[in-house]
Amino acid sequence: KAGVTQTPRYLIKTRGQQVTLSCSPISGHRSVSWYQQTPGQGLQFLFEYFSETQRNKGNFPGRFSGRQFSNSRSEMNVSTLELGDSALYLCASSSGLDPDTQYFGPGTRLTVL
Amino acid sequence: QKEVEQDPGPLSVPEGAIVSLNCTYSNSAFQYFMWYRQYSRKGPELLMYTYSSGNKEDGRFTAQVDKSSKYISLFIRDSQPSDSATYLCAMSARGSSNTGKLIFGQGTTLQVKP
Repeated sequence: KAGVTQTPRYLIKTRGQQVTLSCSPISGHRSVSWYQQTPGQGLQFLFEYFSETQRNKGNFPGRFSGRQFSNSRSEMNVSTLELGDSALYLCASSSGLDPDTQYFGPGTRLTVL
Repeated sequence: QKEVEQDPGPLSVPEGAIVSLNCTYSNSAFQYFMWYRQYSRKGPELLMYTYSSGNKEDGRFTAQVDKSSKYISLFIRDSQPSDSATYLCAMSARGSSNTGKLIFGQGTTLQVKP
């Protein structure tokens, strides 16, 4: 089975711009979770989508949003970028059942200048 | 206080050594425990997962969970230079407010020297 794919792999933006990141889960997986990874805070949960519905959300401002399509592919959007948004953004794919395990993609490295 | 505490290291060992990596946690609701390995500039790779107290072995890796002490460990036997990476523990709890959400430790950087 193909793994989780994320595009683009690298992105450079300036403050105030917005960005959209894409994630394709493992075939058959219906849940996608998004995380932000920074050296200072580590891996932090952003939100989770299952069958096009957001089931859970972490403690991030409303500038961070996401969606999921009927084929389980997911996108996350960050509006009005700030310098502190520079991070590795990871998505993880799972079946969405309980208990469950998550499989991560390679991440998108976002740099905000 | 963070929900999951993990010594960031770095930890440096000679090739062939037994490595012990540990995490402690404070939330007694955690029921699922995972270990991920992350190489530089890559996404985390799932190594081990367990849903109960006790030991689970997979090749050179053994995961240990002690729920009474809120303590989990990962042991690596016969460590190899290719094991050099950051090791992340992760945990989750049941319930709608925890759906799809893993709580991670800070990660321990391991270097295995030839």
